[in-house]
Amino acid sequence: DVKVTQSSRYLVKRTGEKVFLECVQDMDHENMFWYRQDPGLGLRLIYFSYDVKMKEKGDIPEGYSVSREKKERFSLILESASTNQTSMYLCASSAGGGGTNEKLFFGSGTQLSVL
Amino acid sequence: DAKTTQPPSMDCAEGRAANLPCNHSTISGNEYVYWYRQIHSQGPQYIIHGLKNNETNEMASLIITEDRKSSTLILPHATLRDTAVYYCIVRVYNTNAGKSTFGDGTTLTVKP
Repeated sequence: DVKVTQSSRYLVKRTGEKVFLECVQDMDHENMFWYRQDPGLGLRLIYFSYDVKMKEKGDIPEGYSVSREKKERFSLILESASTNQTSMYLCASSAGGGGTNEKLFFGSGTQLSVL
Repeated sequence: DAKTTQPPSMDCAEGRAANLPCNHSTISGNEYVYWYRQIHSQGPQYIIHGLKNNETNEMASLIITEDRKSSTLILPHATLRDTAVYYCIVRVYNTNAGKSTFGDGTTLTVKP
């Protein structure tokens, strides 16, 4: 069965800390995505990647960076965590190529609290 | 990607069909309609997608109007486990240009 795994289900960090959220997919997918989900705001796209070492900004990239050194792994980095980055973070992947291959497969999410 | 509009909430009786509408009046010719759902505390799950023909799979049916400006997701026999937030999104065909915007979706509550 296809799988997108996020390294932590819950994470508590302090303001100013550098935070790494890791995501791994086992489907050899080309595309990977990071979203954050906040009550009343739906899912908002932070960054996505359509190839190794390639990245593109989504709707809300400020305060975040990403890294994709290997095809299966996509990391979200908060250089200096702030309280307004407390949120549920969701990783997703898709095969790419259009139509059926644009189905997104999501991880279970990481609930990050920044104190 | 075209924007979508969905009602914020709907109720459905267990065992009855749930019909969830979505408006995507600015959809362009190369955009597909996708439906996902998110059960509490989990990541969204793919349900179904279509371009212009009606589609059916083991989870649901998707009815797209002839002008493609709206669609309806049908859960033929809703169960309590179908209580979730349902998202309708449209995505361009070209993967390199694609990025999804999920709105607030429709919260479906299936009642006994």
